[in-house]
Amino acid sequence: ILNVEQSPQSLHVQEGDSTNFTCSFPSSNFYALHWYRWETAKSPEALFVMTLNGDEKKKGRISATLNTKEGYSYLYIKGSQPEDSATYLCAFSPTLGRLYFGRGTQLTVWP
Amino acid sequence: DAGVIQSPRHEVTEMGQEVTLRCKPISGHDYLFWYRQTMMRGLELLIYFNNNVPIDDSGMPEDRFSAKMPNASFSTLKIQPSEPRDSAVYFCASSLAGAWDGYTFGSGTRLTVV
Repeated sequence: ILNVEQSPQSLHVQEGDSTNFTCSFPSSNFYALHWYRWETAKSPEALFVMTLNGDEKKKGRISATLNTKEGYSYLYIKGSQPEDSATYLCAFSPTLGRLYFGRGTQLTVWP
Repeated sequence: DAGVIQSPRHEVTEMGQEVTLRCKPISGHDYLFWYRQTMMRGLELLIYFNNNVPIDDSGMPEDRFSAKMPNASFSTLKIQPSEPRDSAVYFCASSLAGAWDGYTFGSGTRLTVV
């Protein structure tokens, strides 16, 4: 079992604040790194898939970076909104098929 | 596309009974995954298929669990006999190209074994 660590475990911010979370994964045998957004009572939804060291992806106010040599990825949310409240999951893949999920960062954005 | 479709949404069964969970992946997706979500272990992979062939079942807890994919549009996860510790949310997901592509998850089946 591979260890995918996410921090912080939970985060409470005010509307308009910018925030970021960290995902750490093994730096050897890297294949891909995924980020998912998981709202309460729904299923995880894919945000980003990153495969190359130095990759940066952006979707609206959310962006992510990847460092495969040191084994970490950051997710940034600019100007948080209440609708951004969710659990953000990171998942690491050392092979084509297997994804190892972290426990997630639970974000709450207060109006 | 209707997305990944799982049934039933909820299942309550008595210990010792057989439970069958069903999944219809997105048409054209070559990969299908069964995950289990618990408070203790988070999301863990049970088994995955590529082109209907089981590739990695190392996450299947024990012989009581079995999974099949008889064709590209249907998969089942069976637990026989069920035990209270099997209570969890079971997700099915599909992907066009394995880990190169984001997974699309179904709504999950919440299983309670009493």
